[in-house]
Amino acid sequence: DIQMTQSPSSLSASVGDRVTITCRASQSISAFLSWYQQKPGKAPKALIYAASSLQSGVPSRFSGSGSETDFTLTINDLQPEDFATYYCQQGYRVPLTFGGGTKVEN
Amino acid sequence: QVHLQESGPGLVKPAQTLSLTCTVSAGSINTDSHYWGWVRQYPGKGLEWLGYIFYNGSPYYNPSLKGRLSISTDRSAKSFSLNLRSVSAADTAVYFCVRAHKLELFFDAWGQGTLVTVSS
Repeated sequence: DIQMTQSPSSLSASVGDRVTITCRASQSISAFLSWYQQKPGKAPKALIYAASSLQSGVPSRFSGSGSETDFTLTINDLQPEDFATYYCQQGYRVPLTFGGGTKVEN
Repeated sequence: QVHLQESGPGLVKPAQTLSLTCTVSAGSINTDSHYWGWVRQYPGKGLEWLGYIFYNGSPYYNPSLKGRLSISTDRSAKSFSLNLRSVSAADTAVYFCVRAHKLELFFDAWGQGTLVTVSS
């Protein structure tokens, strides 16, 4: 299985900050990487797919980059509604696997 | 916009079969652009992909489930189902039904999730 490692596992930030979360794959996954946001008691919501493509309806302050094994999710001008847990997921090979999550706290 | 809704028992006894159904509304599973499947989330927060199926094709399962899982579709009823056999306490989780984009293999639609507890 392809292992996905996120860092950090949690971070503290303030409204207006720029936040960066990284995700590393245990082998090359090309650009088959997506990012999700999850709030307590809710299902995850897709933010980014194909490493850098913004899912429909997602604010442009979210962006993704990277390829092969190293990927980044960036949130510019952090908003109050962005405090949540973020997950990466590889779609390169079955079984599809997720990172362990990064909690963005105030 | 497609809407997914899980249904099924919230409590299952050990060694029994966990059965859930996902009803698809404002859309159809008869599409060649998406897979339909299941993801679960453990109480600690980890997410695990369980498997998915194409509307007219073979299912794909996570090998970690060791042959206990089956996923099927019911095109006439616009739903798909999960059956997980021989459950144990380790299968206690929130179960989400999902739609996966066929080319990019990311989950672009999720049900709200349903908590299933395995306990006697």
